[in-house]
Amino acid sequence: SQQGEEDPQALSIQEGENATMNCSYKTSINNLQWYRQNSGRGLVHLILIRSNEREKHSGRLRVTLDTSKKSSSLLITASRAADTASYFCATMTTDSWGKLQFGAGTQVVVTP
Amino acid sequence: EAQVTQNPRYLITVTGKKLTVTCSQNMNHEYMSWYRQDPGLGLRQIYYSMNVEVTDKGDVPEGYKVSRKEKRNFPLILESPSPNQTSLYFCASREGLAANEQFFGPGTRLTVL
Repeated sequence: SQQGEEDPQALSIQEGENATMNCSYKTSINNLQWYRQNSGRGLVHLILIRSNEREKHSGRLRVTLDTSKKSSSLLITASRAADTASYFCATMTTDSWGKLQFGAGTQVVVTP
Repeated sequence: EAQVTQNPRYLITVTGKKLTVTCSQNMNHEYMSWYRQDPGLGLRQIYYSMNVEVTDKGDVPEGYKVSRKEKRNFPLILESPSPNQTSLYFCASREGLAANEQFFGPGTRLTVL
């Protein structure tokens, strides 16, 4: 099974609302990253959080990491229609020689 | 503009007909990877390369080959494609093994009939 698993699989919200998605993983990590993918396009790096960090912000994005629970969350505040995309967490584990392992993603739809 | 390019973007082929998907990056990155993306499975790594002439298998290497003769190029070769290789393929690169950010190409949608 996958190292990272996102929850929920799909999320539908209205513009202005916040969107929260979670990622759980199985083994120890060096860092955890979040990527966005617009339909049929390549993934774009959003934010990275290291294993010794608990929270990080970038614009309207807030990422938290709880290594004791092996989980992370991505919060998008004041969502916009342009935030409609799939969001993936990716973990770089301590034993993976730099390999990034991706979850199946959360599909987010923001309606105007 | 810093980017990863892939060609072709779309390809329909038949079982057994050898094909190559090219990947090129202009950022002088050492680390390059190929992934396939299938519904419900996320991205799975096929092969990766840590530098010129250094390649290794990822999670799903069967049926694929790669080469890294130059730093900028990392082609993916399907010597005898089969229908189960129908997928969306992404090439990616990053500066090095410990680099923070990975850059992805636009994807190649492959259909094998």
